[in-house]
Amino acid sequence: KNEVEQSPQNLTAQEGEFITINCSYSVGISALHWLQQHPGGGIVSLFMLSSGKKKHGRLIATINIQEKHSSLHITASHPRDSAVYICAAYNNNDMRFGAGTRLTVKP
Amino acid sequence: EPEVTQTPSHQVTQMGQEVILRCVPISNHLYFYWYRQILGQKVEFLVSFYNNEISEKSEIFDDQFSVERPDGSNFTLKIRSTKLEDSAMYFCASRTNGGTQYFGPGTRLLVL
Repeated sequence: KNEVEQSPQNLTAQEGEFITINCSYSVGISALHWLQQHPGGGIVSLFMLSSGKKKHGRLIATINIQEKHSSLHITASHPRDSAVYICAAYNNNDMRFGAGTRLTVKP
Repeated sequence: EPEVTQTPSHQVTQMGQEVILRCVPISNHLYFYWYRQILGQKVEFLVSFYNNEISEKSEIFDDQFSVERPDGSNFTLKIRSTKLEDSAMYFCASRTNGGTQYFGPGTRLLVL
């Protein structure tokens, strides 16, 4: 069983739709990261959270420590949001990555 | 905005050759990381480095791999004798104490 599981694997949405990507983890964590990987391969860190909720622009990340679950939401999605979104569990300087969710937003 | 840089962007090498991948972390960052991503697969943690020593390493990071911070700015990953399965994108990252990680653009390594 993977230590970090994401769903869905692939997601296609129409521009403007509300997007939710889910992440469940089975390891202990000190923080949960959400990353965005662009088609060219570059990785950008979106959020690092250890409790509650964080918001940045149209992106919202939540985490439930008791349930070992996190969600990434994108409001008013746009084609430029098309990317792979990766959840990663961080503990003791070790990071375990999910397989990623490939999001395609169509105009 | 400060950024993590990596060189080279692409490297092709013959099996059995040594390669050194270079990273320049953000200047006030103290924690450094190497990750790899084999084509079509998920990102994997290799090693973390703090205070001039390895703090964590994964099972992938065997004796063929080593890391070094030879001066105040560079952070290198050396693969002593490359294998075909070392072909991957290698990402460096750095962070401050308690901060989020900033990733470099990656080095794409192809072992023939």
